[in-house]
Amino acid sequence: GENVEQHPSTLSVQEGDSAVIKCTYSDSASNYFPWYKQELGKGPQLIIDIRSNVGEKKDQRIAVTLNKTAKHFSLHITETQPEDSAVYFCAASGGGYQKVTFGTGTKLQVIP
Amino acid sequence: KAGVTQTPRYLIKTRGQQVTLSCSPISGHRSVSWYQQTPGQGLQFLFEYFSETQRNKGNFPGRFSGRQFSNSRSEMNVSTLELGDSALYLCASSASTGEKLFFGSGTQLSVL
Repeated sequence: GENVEQHPSTLSVQEGDSAVIKCTYSDSASNYFPWYKQELGKGPQLIIDIRSNVGEKKDQRIAVTLNKTAKHFSLHITETQPEDSAVYFCAASGGGYQKVTFGTGTKLQVIP
Repeated sequence: KAGVTQTPRYLIKTRGQQVTLSCSPISGHRSVSWYQQTPGQGLQFLFEYFSETQRNKGNFPGRFSGRQFSNSRSEMNVSTLELGDSALYLCASSASTGEKLFFGSGTQLSVL
């Protein structure tokens, strides 16, 4: 089955700096890659997703890149703010009716 | 539009007991997935139901079971509880394919 590895497990950045979280996946059939943000006491919330036919996608301060050849995808957060502090999960899926496999999470701390 | 509702929010049980958790998906969503979240293992997929049928299943023992009702509400049951079953159990709903998951806040289960 699919295996998703995520790095780093913790990340501290100064407010205003950029943060990058990287993931790798094992199943070349995976074609859907969502990212979730989990705040304390809440369930994960989808923040951005990308499909394998797209190399990059942006939404305001958040961007995701995908390298299908290397089976890598990354989350980029620019101009970080304290409210970006949370645990971020990457995930991969074969799309359609396939299950979603999650990475182990990155705890991001933005220092004011 | 109301979000995903999970009940109860907290649960304390002893080893050997059984427990039933409930999940009400977003109105109109027919897919419900269940995940176990622990600090060391991240989010582990339990199973997914669509129109009352189990469509996908993770690698958990038979003590973990679930079902979905005709109104898309879902329950999961854990029998013969073990200490290692202590975790946050998250339910997520989606419109049809199982992608773009919307999570509830979870049920925190503690097994003593």
